[in-house]
Amino acid sequence: GENVEQHPSTLSVQEGDSAVIKCTYSDSASNYFPWYKQELGKGPQLIIDIRSNVGEKKDQRIAVTLNKTAKHFSLHITETQPEDSAVYFCAAPLNQAGTALIFGKGTTLSVSS
Amino acid sequence: DGGITQSPKYLFRKEGQNVTLSCEQNLNHDAMYWYRQDPGQGLRLIYYSQIVNDFQKGDIAEGYSVSREKKESFPLTVTSAQKNPTAFYLCASSPRTGANTEAFFGQGTRLTVV
Repeated sequence: GENVEQHPSTLSVQEGDSAVIKCTYSDSASNYFPWYKQELGKGPQLIIDIRSNVGEKKDQRIAVTLNKTAKHFSLHITETQPEDSAVYFCAAPLNQAGTALIFGKGTTLSVSS
Repeated sequence: DGGITQSPKYLFRKEGQNVTLSCEQNLNHDAMYWYRQDPGQGLRLIYYSQIVNDFQKGDIAEGYSVSREKKESFPLTVTSAQKNPTAFYLCASSPRTGANTEAFFGQGTRLTVV
């Protein structure tokens, strides 16, 4: 089955700086890679996802890049703001049928003003 | 409002008792999931269901049971066989089966066993 590793576990940045979170996956057949944001006491919410037929996707201040050869994908947040402070999770499909998602262990991002 | 409702938000039980966590969705989604969240452990898959009356074990199914008698409901029972039941439990759903699509999460139930 799929295995997802996420780094770093914690990340502290100053407001306005960029933040990068990296994940690696094990199954070369995986083709869908979402990123979720979880605020304190709430359930995770999808912020961006990428499929294996593209190498990069952007949505305003956030972007995701995918390197299929190396089997890793990254979340990039530019011009960070205090409201970006949260726990971020990457994920990949459990199996080729895509019946469920397997999540990384999460990254706690703290943005100080 | 459409969404996923988990109840209760906080739940306390004595050791040795079974407890059932509720998860209801009105999104007309086919697939539903249960994850467990512990500090530093991320989200670990307990059970998932792609269709009514069918479900599969995830990575940490031991000590848990589920049912999927209705499309909109996927309750999770934490049995006395679960050695460390205290955790934050998250239910999710997604629109289609066998497809890589967004999972929508509920607000979670924090279970404390004393």
